[in-house]
Amino acid sequence: DQQVKQNSPSLSVQEGRISILNCDYTNSMFDYFLWYKKYPAEGPTFLISISSIKDKNEDGRFTVFLNKSAKHLSLHIVPSQPGDSAVYFCAASPFSGGYNKLIFGAGTRLAVHP
Amino acid sequence: EAQVTQNPRYLITVTGKKLTVTCSQNMNHEYMSWYRQDPGLGLRQIYYSMNVEVTDKGDVPEGYKVSRKEKRNFPLILESPSPNQTSLYFCASSFTSGGALNEQFFGPGTRLTVL
Repeated sequence: DQQVKQNSPSLSVQEGRISILNCDYTNSMFDYFLWYKKYPAEGPTFLISISSIKDKNEDGRFTVFLNKSAKHLSLHIVPSQPGDSAVYFCAASPFSGGYNKLIFGAGTRLAVHP
Repeated sequence: EAQVTQNPRYLITVTGKKLTVTCSQNMNHEYMSWYRQDPGLGLRQIYYSMNVEVTDKGDVPEGYKVSRKEKRNFPLILESPSPNQTSLYFCASSFTSGGALNEQFFGPGTRLTVL
């Protein structure tokens, strides 16, 4: 059973609009969450993270929101740009220190069209 | 340039023929890990290593072996590949202090097909 779920396999957004990617998790021991971005024929690259002691983290156009009670996090991209078209993986870790284990969701393919 | 390299990038082989996928990083990272990516399942961890001569199983270790004789290299060995090991494989590395707080750097991937 997947502990990290991204229920939307794909998302299409118009350039300039907001993209919202969602992620749900089941393990209450997770205390650190990350988003990775992946272009075709490349490895994933780190995008943004959030610790469970926060409910929001912002980095430029990217903001991650965490709702611990709902075991839900979301990534907002504003404004969306064509270069944002990629697969986005949500990942969670049961430790913010120590072992570097990440548990990934299945990914959401974002297409930003002009 | 800081990077994780994998070789080969593409490989087609037959059932039972032993193969090795190499992974090397030049960032002096202690932690290295292998993942496989399959449709609908995301990335799943195969094996990881916290440092030289220290390796441990991830979530899907069956059919794989690893070794960590040097800090920079972490090869993935398939002693007797089977078709269910057809997948996209990623190697990753990071520092260990701070655990998951450390960004993991991923290689470009190896697409393996086992006939």
